[in-house]
Amino acid sequence: GENVEQHPSTLSVQEGDSAVIKCTYSDSASNYFPWYKQELGKGPQLIIDIRSNVGEKKDQRIAVTLNKTAKHFSLHITETQPEDSAVYFCAATPGGSYIPTFGRGTSLIVHP
Amino acid sequence: EADIYQTPRYLVIGTGKKITLECSQTMGHDKMYWYQQDPGMELHLIHYSYGVNSTEKGDLSSESTVSRIRTEHFPLTLESARPSHTSQYLCASSETPNEKLFFGSGTQLSVL
Repeated sequence: GENVEQHPSTLSVQEGDSAVIKCTYSDSASNYFPWYKQELGKGPQLIIDIRSNVGEKKDQRIAVTLNKTAKHFSLHITETQPEDSAVYFCAATPGGSYIPTFGRGTSLIVHP
Repeated sequence: EADIYQTPRYLVIGTGKKITLECSQTMGHDKMYWYQQDPGMELHLIHYSYGVNSTEKGDLSSESTVSRIRTEHFPLTLESARPSHTSQYLCASSETPNEKLFFGSGTQLSVL
């Protein structure tokens, strides 16, 4: 089955800095890679996703990059703000499965 | 955006009690999922359903059971709760062919 590794487990940055979270996956059949943000007391919410036929996707201050050959993908957050503080999960979904395998999560702390 | 509801939000019960965690969605999604989230944040899939009368066990062995008699409703039942069941339980749904998951806010269960 799919195995997703996520690093780091905790990331502390100053407001305005950039933050990068990295994930690797094992199953070459995975073709959908979402990122979820979980704020305190809430369920995870999709913030950006990318498919295997695209190398990079950007939405305002967040971007995701995918390297299919190396089987890794990353989340980039620029100009971080305190409200970006949350737990972030990456996931990989094999084609036709609809069952994502999640990484173990990264706790991002943005200091004002 | 997401219309998926979980009740109760918090539940404290004694060992041996039977409990049902409720999950309902009003989006007409065919797929529904239950995740257990441990204190270390990691998400573990315990049950999922592809549609009415379809239920499958997830990666994490669980003593709970689920049913899917109606599209919108996916309750999770513990016949005899134990302290080891103390955890956050998250319900999610998605609509074929979209792999995006919509999560509820979760039920925090404490078994004394």
